[in-house]
Amino acid sequence: EAQVTQNPRYLITVTGKKLTVTCSQNMNHEYMSWYRQDPGLGLRQIYYSMNVEVTDKGDVPEGYKVSRKEKRNFPLILESPSPNQTSLYFCASSPRTGGWTNEKLFFGSGTQLSVL
Amino acid sequence: DAKTTQPPSMDCAEGRAANLPCNHSTISGNEYVYWYRQIHSQGPQYIIHGLKNNETNEMASLIITEDRKSSTLILPHATLRDTAVYYCIVRLTNTGNQFYFGTGTSLTVIP
Repeated sequence: EAQVTQNPRYLITVTGKKLTVTCSQNMNHEYMSWYRQDPGLGLRQIYYSMNVEVTDKGDVPEGYKVSRKEKRNFPLILESPSPNQTSLYFCASSPRTGGWTNEKLFFGSGTQLSVL
Repeated sequence: DAKTTQPPSMDCAEGRAANLPCNHSTISGNEYVYWYRQIHSQGPQYIIHGLKNNETNEMASLIITEDRKSSTLILPHATLRDTAVYYCIVRLTNTGNQFYFGTGTSLTVIP
């Protein structure tokens, strides 16, 4: 089944303890992206990747790192989590066929992170 | 700056058509309009997209004005399962790589 898989689904941690949220897609998509969702603020893009070894900042990249060593995986790394990073996180991927204006995003099920 | 403007909430009676408006007055000529929806806290789900012409699929219809500055998503016969947050999206042209979601419209289908 074609899908975007995020793990874990729920995560509770403490301030300063490094964590990684994994994201994997089995659709051979070139584009991958991370979003966070907070009440009243909608979905905001953190980082995105156009292809392997190519990553760029979105609207809210502070406090996050990403890597794209393989096409299928795009982990989100929080080196020193803080309470303001408590949020619902979504990974998404998209194919790239010709122009970039006609591609739809496929989303994972989300990761609810709580930083105490 | 926001690329799209949507009403924060709407209600619709079950079985009636739900018409969700979206303004995108700064849309560029080659930017598509996409609609997604998010049920509770699940991952957003693609509904439909279009460039200039009206589009229809098994889920919805998309009506884009001739000047492309606004569009309307139509759910022809809304059901309780259509209760969700609906996002109207265009791509940001300064990078070409970002999807700006905004805060969407919370649609409640009433029995």
